Amino acid sequence: GIQVEQSPPDLILQEGANSTLRCNFSDSVNNLQWFHQNPWGQLINLFYIPSGTKQNGRLSATTVATERYSLLYISSSQTTDSGVYFCAVGGNTGKLIFGQGTTLQVKP
Amino acid sequence: DSGVTQTPKHLITATGQRVTLRCSPRSGDLSVYWYQQSLDQGLQFLIHYYNGEERAKGNILERFSAQQFPDLHSELNLSSLELGDSALYFCASSVESSGGWQFFGPGTRLTVL
Repeated sequence: GIQVEQSPPDLILQEGANSTLRCNFSDSVNNLQWFHQNPWGQLINLFYIPSGTKQNGRLSATTVATERYSLLYISSSQTTDSGVYFCAVGGNTGKLIFGQGTTLQVKP
Repeated sequence: DSGVTQTPKHLITATGQRVTLRCSPRSGDLSVYWYQQSLDQGLQFLIHYYNGEERAKGNILERFSAQQFPDLHSELNLSSLELGDSALYFCASSVESSGGWQFFGPGTRLTVL
């Protein structure tokens, strides 16, 4: 099956800093989504981005499907950005395969 | 708010018991997916239903079963519960029969004592 690797596993930033999270996957995919899991456990949809680039406020994402990776950019980070960021990919079956996540801590 | 609702939010029960988790998809979505998030296994796909029919199964135990009803809501039944079944259970929905943007509900946190 498809393997998903996220890096780095942990990230500590000062408020206001920028960061880049990476997601590598082992096969072609039809679906790629980024999520933020907040401290209360909720999975918040950030992007649906099987290819191309999208932006939403301070967050943006780029997926290069031919090279099998996706990047999530967080600019001017805030303490509320803390939590775990998951990348999930899907093939023809529809099910999503999740990476192990990047745990982000933003310090004031 | 994703538009997907799950009940209950929290569930505490004892080993050997049976529980039912409920999910209502977004209006218009025909697909419902169930995922389990545990500390040791991470987020894993359990099962997918589309318009009442089972479409795919993942690492779902035989003690677990699910169904999707004519009104498209879904229920995940967990029986003979073990300590290791303690986890967050998420439901997601999408319009498509496979693939497409999946919208996740708030989850049900199950604690087995």
